[in-house]
Amino acid sequence: GAVVSQHPSRVICKSGTSVKIECRSLDFQATTMFWYRQFPKKSLMLMATSNEGSKATYEQGVEKDKFLINHASLTLSTLTVTSAHPEDSSFYICSATDREGQPQHFGDGTRLSIL
Amino acid sequence: SQQGEEDPQALSIQEGENATMNCSYKTSINNLQWYRQNSGRGLVHLILIRSNEREKHSGRLRVTLDTSKKSSSLLITASRAADTASYFCATATGYSSASKIIFGSGTRLSIRP
Repeated sequence: GAVVSQHPSRVICKSGTSVKIECRSLDFQATTMFWYRQFPKKSLMLMATSNEGSKATYEQGVEKDKFLINHASLTLSTLTVTSAHPEDSSFYICSATDREGQPQHFGDGTRLSIL
Repeated sequence: SQQGEEDPQALSIQEGENATMNCSYKTSINNLQWYRQNSGRGLVHLILIRSNEREKHSGRLRVTLDTSKKSSSLLITASRAADTASYFCATATGYSSASKIIFGSGTRLSIRP
């Protein structure tokens, strides 16, 4: 149980494009979803926390107009990287928790490459 | 800033040997979790230990927690090639579904056949 699906797994696009990444909880209701960014051989940095039906809470230094998060239902959260530039290239990973709380259940990540 | 620091940063051992990874953190916690990440993939939860627990086992994994020293260790016994991955500790100050976890810097473990 507790499967999180993240799509797409890889995106390569031109600078200026907006990219949407989906995170779905397949067999449970995700009370909260988290979005992380990971640079090569580095740890995960939390970008934002989203709860269904409310605005996301962004970590310090993360531009909310750049990284739009929508958590429209208990099984789906989306991260849109708007007007992406090469410096936005990274590995983005989502996770979700149910009402039981910890631990977090992770998707397989999305590798974003902006040319 | 990251809560946890792990050492070693990288560890290479022979298959069959035991692997020990350490994690230190800075503030009081509710629980500490260990995750594994295979290259280019998401994270898999391994084990969670609460602040009032000192040791926990799961299969070939043994986790200890010393809250007085603000440190934890993960021991993998009888290592296998499939254990090759990065291992991260993560600390939580709460237990609710909305509680953030802060990841350590990670240990890259390589198992030599």
